Amino acid sequence: EAGVAQSPRYKIIEKRQSVAFWCNPISGHATLYWYQQILGQGPKLLIQFQNNGVVDDSQLPKDRFSAERLKGVDSTLKIQPAKLEDSAVYLCASSLERSSSGNTIYFGEGSWLTVV
Amino acid sequence: QKEVEQDPGPLSVPEGAIVSLNCTYSNSAFQYFMWYRQYSRKGPELLMYTYSSGNKEDGRFTAQVDKSSKYISLFIRDSQPSDSATYLCAMSLTFPSNTGKLIFGQGTTLQVKP
Repeated sequence: EAGVAQSPRYKIIEKRQSVAFWCNPISGHATLYWYQQILGQGPKLLIQFQNNGVVDDSQLPKDRFSAERLKGVDSTLKIQPAKLEDSAVYLCASSLERSSSGNTIYFGEGSWLTVV
Repeated sequence: QKEVEQDPGPLSVPEGAIVSLNCTYSNSAFQYFMWYRQYSRKGPELLMYTYSSGNKEDGRFTAQVDKSSKYISLFIRDSQPSDSATYLCAMSLTFPSNTGKLIFGQGTTLQVKP
């Protein structure tokens, strides 16, 4: 079974520029998450989708971050304009809507963003 | 005060040692408790999952939850160099893969020396 795919893996941009990250979840997974992990910290949920709809975006800085999940499959996370404090790993994850295997949320390898 | 506190370490142990990793939390409403392992430049992967209080064992790994003390632990027996990674505790109020938000600790970096 293919895992959660993310691209690009690494990105360096200057502050005030824009960047977009793409995620392809595991086939059949209805729930998709974007987490932000700053170096030395645990992941923090930015946004959670259930199919096409947003379940939770309470910690998404909406003045600069946006995310969409078209057709309930792939998702894109965009940052515009980027700030230095946005330097982090952006982790995409997915899960079945209801899992019998103990709440397994599968993470991708992450997209590493450095803002200079 | 953070909702979930975890000592970042680093923790360095010799091969074969018993490792104890811990987290404390402040929200008594948390019901689901998880441990994730994260290798360098990889995404977290679920190791153990426990609902409410009690113990759960899986091979060399044992997870304990003490809700009265708001304290969870992960024990690793016969530690191996391949166990060297960052261990993240996580917890949520409701079923995480549905609408429950996972709250992570900051992670403890473990190094097992041969």
